[in-house]
Amino acid sequence: DSGVTQTPKHLITATGQRVTLRCSPRSGDLSVYWYQQSLDQGLQFLIQYYNGEERAKGNILERFSAQQFPDLHSELNLSSLELGDSALYFCASSAGTGFGQETQYFGPGTRLLVL
Amino acid sequence: QKEVEQDPGPLSVPEGAIVSLNCTYSNSAFQYFMWYRQYSRKGPELLMYTYSSGNKEDGRFTAQVDKSSKYISLFIRDSQPSDSATYLCAMSEYGTDKLIFGTGTRLQVFP
Repeated sequence: DSGVTQTPKHLITATGQRVTLRCSPRSGDLSVYWYQQSLDQGLQFLIQYYNGEERAKGNILERFSAQQFPDLHSELNLSSLELGDSALYFCASSAGTGFGQETQYFGPGTRLLVL
Repeated sequence: QKEVEQDPGPLSVPEGAIVSLNCTYSNSAFQYFMWYRQYSRKGPELLMYTYSSGNKEDGRFTAQVDKSSKYISLFIRDSQPSDSATYLCAMSEYGTDKLIFGTGTRLQVFP
């Protein structure tokens, strides 16, 4: 158990809908990362938050947004869902020093299926 | 071309074999190199971490980095069925926590 929790575990929804994925980081970690894992693209970095502020952005679509709250939990909002958004979404956390030498601890993931 | 290339496999070996997993990369700014292991339907977990070039050994696992060739390897000695998983290489630059992952190599070790 990494200490990172994600809810829900599974989500089935329809095209055009909006969903929210939730992540709680390990105790003491200030940084939260969101990744998308699909069969053809592998694990893709979406976005990083550090202590409530956006720190780095990856290949995140404009239809997707995220935020980190004062209690450090984070939410990833996916809107106007398309079939191609079906994937595993992982949250990871770390201390977030910004020097690239930290271990990121991954949650169990949310499996999203868009029908 | 992707920044990090990794053969997706699958790689199927008998128990006790030595396994070699590899990644190549194009970004010479990468300084930190990691190997994550991901079991089916689970999140990735860090297996090995190496800074810059060189070797690092941890039990049955050895990680190698050759920055001049932009090539990293993970060796697994005396492979066990419990090693069956997907192995992902990951890299980052100094000054950022952002990880760039390879697509992963699926390994199956049969008894």
